[in-house]
Amino acid sequence: NAGVTQTPKFQVLKTGQSMTLQCAQDMNHNSMYWYRQDPGMGLRLIYYSASEGTTDKGEVPNGYNVSRLNKREFSLRLESAAPSQTSVYFCASSTQDRGLEQPQHFGDGTRLSIL
Amino acid sequence: AQKITQTQPGMFVQEKEAVTLDCTYDTSDQSYGLFWYKQPSSGEMIFLIYQGSYDEQNATEGRYSLNFQKARKSANLVISASQLGDSAMYFCAMRRMREYKLSFGAGTTVTVRA
Repeated sequence: NAGVTQTPKFQVLKTGQSMTLQCAQDMNHNSMYWYRQDPGMGLRLIYYSASEGTTDKGEVPNGYNVSRLNKREFSLRLESAAPSQTSVYFCASSTQDRGLEQPQHFGDGTRLSIL
Repeated sequence: AQKITQTQPGMFVQEKEAVTLDCTYDTSDQSYGLFWYKQPSSGEMIFLIYQGSYDEQNATEGRYSLNFQKARKSANLVISASQLGDSAMYFCAMRRMREYKLSFGAGTTVTVRA
């Protein structure tokens, strides 16, 4: 039972390089999310996809793009990486079918360092 | 924007004792949900417990319980009979009705001592 799978787990980039973080879920969830976690700040939403075919900005979308490839997959792209994007990135998914109480299920995270 | 405040950056607790983690939130909405997640040192985010704003009883889930005081806008997590495996960072989060995102607090690190 894989749940939410993120790849890669670790990555080091140079400033200006581009990269795509991959996320896939096997729980048949409608909604998927990308968060970043920085020390002392909890998790902040970058982008989300409420359902297949839709994407929306979260709190901190600048410097990122996303693609909801299909119901299972939601990728996050850094077009020109900056040191400020050094963070731990989490993908999450949830079903909205039954209202507020459905939790988001998280992947194990991607640790991204930009030099 | 709603704000989640966890005022305790770090706490120590003796094994087998109970610990309370504070969480206050700020919203003008009537309908919302409150979640607690655990993040061990390995990094994954584990869902622990949920409380709905209209729930009349405090949520419980095994050794986890939620002390929900709606008028005070607080949703404190109580971990009873602490175990060494409870050492982790704990996050409080809120979701408003018709929104998809979770808003997280900064987290509280709990260290359980033998």
